[in-house]
Amino acid sequence: GESVGLHLPTLSVQEGDNSIINCAYSNSASDYFIWYKQESGKGPQFIIDIRSNMDKRQGQRVTVLLNKTVKHLSLQIAATQPGDSAVYFCAENGGSQGNLIFGKGTKLSVKP
Amino acid sequence: KAGVTQTPRYLIKTRGQQVTLSCSPISGHRSVSWYQQTPGQGLQFLFEYFSETQRNKGNFPGRFSGRQFSNSRSEMNVSTLELGDSALYLCASSLGLRGNTEAFFGQGTRLTVV
Repeated sequence: GESVGLHLPTLSVQEGDNSIINCAYSNSASDYFIWYKQESGKGPQFIIDIRSNMDKRQGQRVTVLLNKTVKHLSLQIAATQPGDSAVYFCAENGGSQGNLIFGKGTKLSVKP
Repeated sequence: KAGVTQTPRYLIKTRGQQVTLSCSPISGHRSVSWYQQTPGQGLQFLFEYFSETQRNKGNFPGRFSGRQFSNSRSEMNVSTLELGDSALYLCASSLGLRGNTEAFFGQGTRLTVV
């Protein structure tokens, strides 16, 4: 098992329900944000991105909302499926000169 | 088109040894970034290469180094391995420099130092 370390917040939802995963970012200069999904044993998978000139962007079953005033990002997953079970990370760019900075992640668990 | 390819997938090394990991980015992508992922620290940025030049570096000791070749493939090297270097090493490729374009990750190299 894993050694002592990060205790990821966990979100448990019923299959078919909507999921909302939240993220507080740190740098007010960040102008580009990405959500990633990471399944066990795999690398992070790009889900959706948003630039700071937008406050909402929709993809297939996913919506990202950006609130720059409070430096908050959220990922909404519609009709959550068991295959959505994974750890979700938000990432910010720290301003265009910065590398991607990752949040600690949220573990989504979908109950059938 | 092919995604980001990292080799090898798994490695076991002994303390004090050195290791080289390889990353082939998506065709056409010129930026390669490396990250270390551990349960304790999460995803931490190591460095980024663009057009064979290191453009950005994270807060890691000099034992961690990298390079990028003219075909955009990148390698990272860790010398004098320590137990704490055990981690999943991920590389991400993107069209442009970090922070402005989509970054796609490989499956990672799981390094275990014993």
